[in-house]
Amino acid sequence: GESVGLHLPTLSVQEGDNSIINCAYSNSASDYFIWYKQESGKGPQFIIDIRSNMDKRQGQRVTVLLNKTVKHLSLQIAATQPGDSAVYFCAENRHNNNDMRFGAGTRLTVKP
Amino acid sequence: DAGITQSPRHKVTETGTPVTLRCHQTENHRYMYWYRQDPGHGLRLIHYSYGVKDTDKGEVSDGYSVSRSKTEDFLLTLESATSSQTSVYFCAISERHNDDSYNEQFFGPGTRLTVL
Repeated sequence: GESVGLHLPTLSVQEGDNSIINCAYSNSASDYFIWYKQESGKGPQFIIDIRSNMDKRQGQRVTVLLNKTVKHLSLQIAATQPGDSAVYFCAENRHNNNDMRFGAGTRLTVKP
Repeated sequence: DAGITQSPRHKVTETGTPVTLRCHQTENHRYMYWYRQDPGHGLRLIHYSYGVKDTDKGEVSDGYSVSRSKTEDFLLTLESATSSQTSVYFCAISERHNDDSYNEQFFGPGTRLTVL
């Protein structure tokens, strides 16, 4: 069946380095993707989204890249800070559908 | 948390008892969702609502019912709780301007439910 997944369950980086979190999706009909950050004991927090008519979108210290050819999504965090430590989820959706599908998450740990 | 509250935040109950979780929003968003989050599964959709008294099933709806009598409140009921329903439950909201628009969802803080 269709699924959303992540390449790595954990990622550890040094403070100040850049982080890259990857996500693979298999539903070729998906045209909308979101990255969420979830800190311990809290709900998922929207970070950035991208529509399928784009291949790159930038926010504050974050960039999302979409490669529709290989069905791959990545989140890049520049100058990673201790406050970036959390679990990051990708999610996929079709614009006329209410069923958002989420990956299991990648835990990012930032070492001082 | 984008004007979304959930109550209770924590609950411990026994197998076979009814449980109702409440989601309240102050954003006047049309769409509301209930998810459960379990280790290794990520977030899975239980039920959602696209307006007052308009609801539909999600991926894991068995054993759950929902009601939406007001725009701001979305209730999730476990009629007879089972241990497999021990989980963290999240409510989400979104404002899609029409059924053909994009579904940007914002989440509440979650409810941790333990069924003994």
